[in-house]
Amino acid sequence: AQRVTQPEKLLSVFKGAPVELKCNYSYSGSPELFWYVQYSRQRLQLLLRHISRESIKGFTADLNKGETSFHLKKPFAQEEDSAMYYCAPPPGGYSTLTFGKGTMLLVSP
Amino acid sequence: SQTIHQWPATLVQPVGSPLSLECTVEGTSNPNLYWYRQAAGRGLQLLFYSVGIGQISSEVPQNLSASRPQDRQFILSSKKLLLSDSGFYLCAWRAKGDTEAFFGQGTRLTVV
Repeated sequence: AQRVTQPEKLLSVFKGAPVELKCNYSYSGSPELFWYVQYSRQRLQLLLRHISRESIKGFTADLNKGETSFHLKKPFAQEEDSAMYYCAPPPGGYSTLTFGKGTMLLVSP
Repeated sequence: SQTIHQWPATLVQPVGSPLSLECTVEGTSNPNLYWYRQAAGRGLQLLFYSVGIGQISSEVPQNLSASRPQDRQFILSSKKLLLSDSGFYLCAWRAKGDTEAFFGQGTRLTVV
């Protein structure tokens, strides 16, 4: 089964500090991975996907096949980055769509 | 453009009462539809998904059921609510062949 693990429930940093939200995957096949974000009182939405290799709101995520990881990084955290972040594998063979348990990022002033 | 509507936004129900949460999608046809429960520390738990009218797959056995009476309508139900059914429920859709999911605003259910 396609599965991802987010080991941290909560990550608390100060504004301007670097941020790394961890995600590890444990399945074979093409590891197309995603990060979703849910800001307070807003809908859960796609932040970025591995295949596009883009930077959104200063966040990047690099696939490391050796470590089977897809960590989300930002060099300088901002208070508005405070949100719940979910890592997700690609949709499953039976159209299932699952997510990691999520990491709450709190950025303090 | 595509939109997803989910209602009600909040709901307080007594134990033993029935439940019906509705989710509708506009601007697309034949989507895959999903119901999730979001709980602190347990993340986003997939409850049901549907690839077409009348086709429901259950991921977690529990006190809830789902139905898809129309192509763009997905309903989450219960005949008798339990206290443990309290939580935040999210509906989502995804176009077949695409990988991005789009979520509704969610329903906060409190069973008292």
